[in-house]
Amino acid sequence: ETGVTQSPTHLIKTRGQQVTLRCSSQSGHNTVSWYQQALGQGPQFIFQYYREEENGRGNFPPRFSGLQFPNYSSELNVNALELDDSALYLCASSSATARNTIYFGEGSWLTVV
Amino acid sequence: AQRVTQPEKLLSVFKGAPVELKCNYSYSGSPELFWYVQYSRQRLQLLLRHISRESIKGFTADLNKGETSFHLKKPFAQEEDSAMYYCALRSNFGNEKLTFGTGTRLTIIP
Repeated sequence: ETGVTQSPTHLIKTRGQQVTLRCSSQSGHNTVSWYQQALGQGPQFIFQYYREEENGRGNFPPRFSGLQFPNYSSELNVNALELDDSALYLCASSSATARNTIYFGEGSWLTVV
Repeated sequence: AQRVTQPEKLLSVFKGAPVELKCNYSYSGSPELFWYVQYSRQRLQLLLRHISRESIKGFTADLNKGETSFHLKKPFAQEEDSAMYYCALRSNFGNEKLTFGTGTRLTIIP
């Protein structure tokens, strides 16, 4: 069992609202990535944080933003929610210096109505 | 641009029969290739990576750079192999971004 934990596990939001998803990385991992997994699709890379700075971004608009804290925990914020934002959001942690295994959390299911 | 293709969305195989899950990739450099598995109601977890050249749960995968493929194979399927399988690619430098395929749902028929 990995040490990556995410909260909340499920939530429902209304179109136009804002949401914050949280992730606690595995101990010793200084890199966190966020992925969006729509139904029937593979995970899509949103962005990555290393030492509290964004270090790579996928094809997602600026209303998707993030933070990484000194303890390596992380948040994903999505503003002006759209129906298509409904998906499973996965957090993954790794050690950039070691480039070892990337561990995933169980995800947060977001439904936008 | 990086791209991973898994041509089969669904694959059903009888118990004891060989399994092959196909994965092709597109990348200009030398990538790292992975297979991730997601069992029912569990998180995504690493099954194997090409640089390790290991066999996990009887599965193996060989990177074929000429065919840009990384197919996952197992000689004798077991019921517990039923799961969602994702092939993923990571560039050999820079950040930790993984590019995933759309996945193949493997069902083992008893």
